[in-house]
Amino acid sequence: EPEVTQTPSHQVTQMGQEVILRCVPISNHLYFYWYRQILGQKVEFLVSFYNNEISEKSEIFDDQFSVERPDGSNFTLKIRSTKLEDSAMYFCASSTLQGGNTIYFGEGSWLTVV
Amino acid sequence: GESVGLHLPTLSVQEGDNSIINCAYSNSASDYFIWYKQESGKGPQFIIDIRSNMDKRQGQRVTVLLNKTVKHLSLQIAATQPGDSAVYFCAENRGGFKTIFGAGTRLFVKA
Repeated sequence: EPEVTQTPSHQVTQMGQEVILRCVPISNHLYFYWYRQILGQKVEFLVSFYNNEISEKSEIFDDQFSVERPDGSNFTLKIRSTKLEDSAMYFCASSTLQGGNTIYFGEGSWLTVV
Repeated sequence: GESVGLHLPTLSVQEGDNSIINCAYSNSASDYFIWYKQESGKGPQFIIDIRSNMDKRQGQRVTVLLNKTVKHLSLQIAATQPGDSAVYFCAENRGGFKTIFGAGTRLFVKA
Protein backbone atom coordinates (compact mmCIF):
# COMPACT_ATOMS: atom_id res chain seq x y z
CA GLU A 1 0.00 0.00 0.00
CA PRO A 2 1.41 3.42 -0.93
CA GLU A 3 2.53 5.52 1.99
CA VAL A 4 3.98 8.88 2.88
CA THR A 5 7.59 8.54 4.01
CA GLN A 6 9.47 11.02 6.16
CA THR A 7 13.10 11.53 7.11
CA PRO A 8 14.67 11.84 9.57
CA SER A 9 12.56 10.02 12.11
CA HIS A 10 14.24 11.96 14.90
CA GLN A 11 16.50 15.00 14.88
CA VAL A 12 18.12 16.87 17.72
CA THR A 13 19.29 20.37 16.93
CA GLN A 14 20.74 23.34 18.75
CA MET A 15 18.58 26.38 19.23
CA GLY A 16 19.17 28.84 16.40
CA GLN A 17 20.13 26.18 13.88
CA GLU A 18 18.27 25.48 10.66
CA VAL A 19 16.47 22.19 10.13
CA ILE A 20 15.11 20.60 6.99
CA LEU A 21 12.53 17.85 7.28
CA ARG A 22 11.94 15.73 4.23
CA CYS A 23 8.92 13.92 2.91
CA VAL A 24 8.04 11.78 -0.05
CA PRO A 25 4.26 12.02 -0.57
CA ILE A 26 2.19 9.29 -2.16
CA SER A 27 3.09 9.33 -5.84
CA ASN A 28 -0.25 10.20 -7.45
CA HIS A 29 -1.20 12.79 -4.85
CA LEU A 30 -1.29 16.45 -5.78
CA TYR A 31 -1.84 18.17 -2.44
CA PHE A 32 0.79 18.19 0.28
CA TYR A 33 0.65 19.26 3.88
CA TRP A 34 2.70 19.74 7.00
CA TYR A 35 1.19 19.35 10.44
CA ARG A 36 2.74 19.64 13.87
CA GLN A 37 1.99 17.87 17.12
CA ILE A 38 3.52 19.07 20.34
CA LEU A 39 3.86 16.19 22.81
CA GLY A 40 0.50 15.26 24.27
CA GLN A 41 -1.42 17.82 22.26
CA LYS A 42 -3.55 17.78 19.16
CA VAL A 43 -2.39 17.74 15.57
CA GLU A 44 -2.09 21.31 14.24
CA PHE A 45 -2.22 22.40 10.63
CA LEU A 46 0.82 24.30 9.38
CA VAL A 47 0.61 24.60 5.64
CA SER A 48 -0.81 23.14 2.45
CA PHE A 49 0.92 23.13 -0.91
CA TYR A 50 -0.45 22.63 -4.39
CA ASN A 51 0.84 23.32 -7.86
CA ASN A 52 4.19 24.46 -6.52
CA GLU A 53 2.85 27.10 -4.21
CA ILE A 54 1.43 27.49 -0.75
CA SER A 55 -2.36 27.28 -0.90
CA GLU A 56 -3.12 27.89 2.76
CA LYS A 57 -1.14 28.38 5.94
CA SER A 58 -1.87 28.78 9.61
CA GLU A 59 -0.76 31.49 11.98
CA ILE A 60 1.91 29.10 13.25
CA PHE A 61 3.56 29.07 9.83
CA ASP A 62 5.42 32.37 10.09
CA ASP A 63 8.54 33.63 8.30
CA GLN A 64 10.62 31.09 10.20
CA PHE A 65 9.08 28.31 8.11
CA SER A 66 9.24 27.55 4.43
CA VAL A 67 8.26 24.66 2.19
CA GLU A 68 9.59 23.48 -1.09
CA ARG A 69 9.08 20.76 -3.65
CA PRO A 70 12.60 20.62 -5.05
CA ASP A 71 11.87 17.81 -7.48
CA GLY A 72 9.05 15.55 -8.58
CA SER A 73 9.00 13.43 -5.47
CA ASN A 74 10.24 15.31 -2.39
CA PHE A 75 8.47 17.88 -0.25
CA THR A 76 10.46 19.66 2.43
CA LEU A 77 9.81 21.81 5.48
CA LYS A 78 12.59 24.18 6.48
CA ILE A 79 12.68 25.76 9.91
CA ARG A 80 15.15 28.63 10.17
CA SER A 81 16.68 29.57 13.50
CA THR A 82 14.89 26.95 15.55
CA LYS A 83 13.46 27.80 18.95
CA LEU A 84 12.87 25.55 21.93
CA GLU A 85 9.14 25.72 21.32
CA ASP A 86 9.61 24.23 17.85
CA SER A 87 10.20 20.87 19.52
CA ALA A 88 7.39 18.67 18.24
CA MET A 89 6.48 15.85 15.93
CA TYR A 90 6.13 17.11 12.38
CA PHE A 91 3.86 15.16 10.09
CA CYS A 92 3.82 15.32 6.34
CA ALA A 93 0.59 14.36 4.59
CA SER A 94 -0.78 14.19 1.08
CA SER A 95 -4.09 13.81 -0.71
CA THR A 96 -5.46 13.46 -4.21
CA LEU A 97 -8.01 16.22 -3.84
CA GLN A 98 -8.40 19.24 -1.65
CA GLY A 99 -11.21 19.54 0.87
CA GLY A 100 -13.45 16.58 1.39
CA ASN A 101 -10.77 14.12 0.57
CA THR A 102 -8.79 12.06 3.01
CA ILE A 103 -5.27 13.14 3.79
CA TYR A 104 -2.75 10.41 4.50
CA PHE A 105 -0.02 10.97 7.03
CA GLY A 106 3.56 9.86 7.31
CA GLU A 107 5.02 8.48 10.50
CA GLY A 108 6.43 11.83 11.50
CA SER A 109 9.77 13.46 12.22
CA TRP A 110 10.41 14.12 15.87
CA LEU A 111 12.32 17.38 16.30
CA THR A 112 14.01 18.17 19.58
CA VAL A 113 15.52 21.64 19.95
CA VAL A 114 18.03 21.96 22.80
CA GLY B 1 -15.05 30.41 15.96
CA GLU B 2 -13.07 27.43 14.76
CA SER B 3 -12.98 24.42 16.97
CA VAL B 4 -13.39 20.74 16.83
CA GLY B 5 -13.41 19.36 20.32
CA LEU B 6 -13.94 16.15 22.21
CA HIS B 7 -16.19 15.48 25.17
CA LEU B 8 -13.85 13.13 27.07
CA PRO B 9 -10.07 12.98 27.16
CA THR B 10 -9.92 9.26 28.08
CA LEU B 11 -12.18 6.27 27.67
CA SER B 12 -11.65 2.86 29.23
CA VAL B 13 -13.60 -0.14 27.96
CA GLN B 14 -13.54 -3.86 28.50
CA GLU B 15 -12.31 -6.01 25.66
CA GLY B 16 -15.28 -7.16 23.61
CA ASP B 17 -17.50 -4.23 24.58
CA ASN B 18 -18.49 -1.48 22.20
CA SER B 19 -16.76 1.89 22.39
CA ILE B 20 -18.29 5.25 21.64
CA ILE B 21 -16.06 8.27 21.17
CA ASN B 22 -17.73 11.65 20.83
CA CYS B 23 -16.77 14.89 19.16
CA ALA B 24 -18.38 18.32 18.88
CA TYR B 25 -17.71 20.80 16.13
CA SER B 26 -18.63 24.45 16.06
CA ASN B 27 -18.71 25.47 12.41
CA SER B 28 -21.92 24.56 10.61
CA ALA B 29 -20.13 25.14 7.30
CA SER B 30 -18.03 22.03 7.82
CA ASP B 31 -18.97 19.45 5.24
CA TYR B 32 -16.51 16.62 5.64
CA PHE B 33 -15.49 14.78 8.78
CA ILE B 34 -12.82 12.21 9.41
CA TRP B 35 -11.84 9.98 12.28
CA TYR B 36 -8.17 9.19 12.73
CA LYS B 37 -6.45 6.71 15.02
CA GLN B 38 -3.02 7.50 16.36
CA GLU B 39 -0.88 4.88 18.04
CA SER B 40 2.04 5.91 20.18
CA GLY B 41 4.90 7.33 18.11
CA LYS B 42 3.04 7.00 14.83
CA GLY B 43 1.20 9.26 12.44
CA PRO B 44 -2.59 9.59 12.36
CA GLN B 45 -4.19 6.71 10.51
CA PHE B 46 -7.45 7.15 8.60
CA ILE B 47 -10.34 5.14 10.02
CA ILE B 48 -13.54 6.39 8.45
CA ASP B 49 -15.05 9.54 7.02
CA ILE B 50 -18.48 11.01 6.46
CA ARG B 51 -19.84 13.87 4.41
CA SER B 52 -22.41 16.32 5.67
CA ASN B 53 -25.13 14.95 3.40
CA MET B 54 -25.06 11.71 5.38
CA ASP B 55 -25.87 10.93 8.99
CA LYS B 56 -24.35 7.47 9.27
CA ARG B 57 -21.59 5.51 7.65
CA GLN B 58 -20.35 2.06 8.48
CA GLY B 59 -17.01 0.42 8.00
CA GLN B 60 -15.46 -2.72 9.31
CA ARG B 61 -16.33 -2.74 13.04
CA VAL B 62 -16.62 1.05 13.00
CA THR B 63 -19.58 3.34 12.51
CA VAL B 64 -19.58 7.12 12.34
CA LEU B 65 -22.71 9.07 13.20
CA LEU B 66 -23.21 12.71 12.32
CA ASN B 67 -25.84 14.90 13.93
CA LYS B 68 -25.77 18.23 12.15
CA THR B 69 -28.53 19.66 14.30
CA VAL B 70 -26.34 19.62 17.39
CA LYS B 71 -23.02 19.59 15.53
CA HIS B 72 -21.99 16.27 16.99
CA LEU B 73 -19.97 13.41 15.61
CA SER B 74 -19.36 10.01 17.13
CA LEU B 75 -17.25 6.98 16.40
CA GLN B 76 -18.53 3.60 17.45
CA ILE B 77 -16.17 0.66 17.59
CA ALA B 78 -17.81 -2.74 17.87
CA ALA B 79 -16.25 -5.55 19.90
CA THR B 80 -13.30 -3.44 20.99
CA GLN B 81 -9.97 -5.23 20.90
CA PRO B 82 -6.64 -4.51 22.61
CA GLY B 83 -5.29 -3.34 19.25
CA ASP B 84 -7.86 -0.55 19.29
CA SER B 85 -6.04 1.13 22.16
CA ALA B 86 -4.88 4.48 20.79
CA VAL B 87 -5.75 8.15 20.66
CA TYR B 88 -8.67 8.93 18.39
CA PHE B 89 -9.04 12.30 16.71
CA CYS B 90 -11.99 13.71 14.90
CA ALA B 91 -11.16 16.17 12.16
CA GLU B 92 -13.18 18.45 9.93
CA ASN B 93 -12.72 20.00 6.56
CA ARG B 94 -14.70 22.90 5.14
CA GLY B 95 -13.90 22.35 1.51
CA GLY B 96 -10.56 24.11 1.60
CA PHE B 97 -7.03 22.95 2.14
CA LYS B 98 -7.08 22.86 5.91
CA THR B 99 -8.23 19.85 7.92
CA ILE B 100 -8.70 20.79 11.56
CA PHE B 101 -8.13 18.24 14.29
CA GLY B 102 -9.84 17.95 17.64
CA ALA B 103 -8.04 17.42 20.93
CA GLY B 104 -8.12 13.61 20.91
CA THR B 105 -9.56 10.88 23.13
CA ARG B 106 -7.33 8.15 24.50
CA LEU B 107 -9.00 4.76 24.39
CA PHE B 108 -7.82 2.11 26.84
CA VAL B 109 -8.98 -1.45 26.27
CA LYS B 110 -8.90 -3.67 29.34
CA ALA B 111 -8.34 -7.36 28.81
